[in-house]
Amino acid sequence: EAGVTQFPSHSVIEKGQTVTLRCDPISGHDNLYWYRRVMGKEIKFLLHFVKESKQDESGMPNNRFLAERTGGTYSTLKVQPAELEDSGVYFCASQDGAGGEQFFGPGTRLTVL
Amino acid sequence: GNSVTQMEGPVTLSEEAFLTINCTYTATGYPSLFWYVQYPGEGLQLLLKATKADDKGSNKGFEATYRKETTSFHLEKGSVQVSDSAVYFCALRRNAGNNRKLIWGLGTSLAVNP
Repeated sequence: EAGVTQFPSHSVIEKGQTVTLRCDPISGHDNLYWYRRVMGKEIKFLLHFVKESKQDESGMPNNRFLAERTGGTYSTLKVQPAELEDSGVYFCASQDGAGGEQFFGPGTRLTVL
Repeated sequence: GNSVTQMEGPVTLSEEAFLTINCTYTATGYPSLFWYVQYPGEGLQLLLKATKADDKGSNKGFEATYRKETTSFHLEKGSVQVSDSAVYFCALRRNAGNNRKLIWGLGTSLAVNP
């Protein structure tokens, strides 16, 4: 069974540009989470999808961030326009039932110059 | 609110040394507790977990016991190996509701020298 995949593994962009991160969860997992780790700080929750619906987006930093999960399969996280403080590692996790284990992807390292 | 406080690193040990990484938490209710590990160049992996007070999670020689009275979940290993070099994260999660987001500690980097 394939694990959680994320693309790209690393992205370097200039301030003001747009970047889209993608996460492919484990097939059949309804729950999908996005997290972010900014250097020197703890990993923080961004949002949670159940199928295609946003269950909780209370962790999204501001309206420059837009997450989608059309069709309830893969998810994208778009940052537009990117700012310096958006640099960090973005993790995606998928989970089967509500109490199941969260399986993580390798992360996308975003660097905004 | 819920939070996790984790021992700061980096921690450097010699092979076969004893490891303790401290983790304490603040939570409403009775959360589940986790240790995740991130090896160099890889993603986060669940190392062990405990879902209720006095439970002991164990895996790959690592152990942690859920201590409600001290709100702690310290990670221990009796004899570390070079291959244990990684970043270790303590986390908690609610046991009820639909959103089971993880709340994380800062992470502790461990380097084991031969």
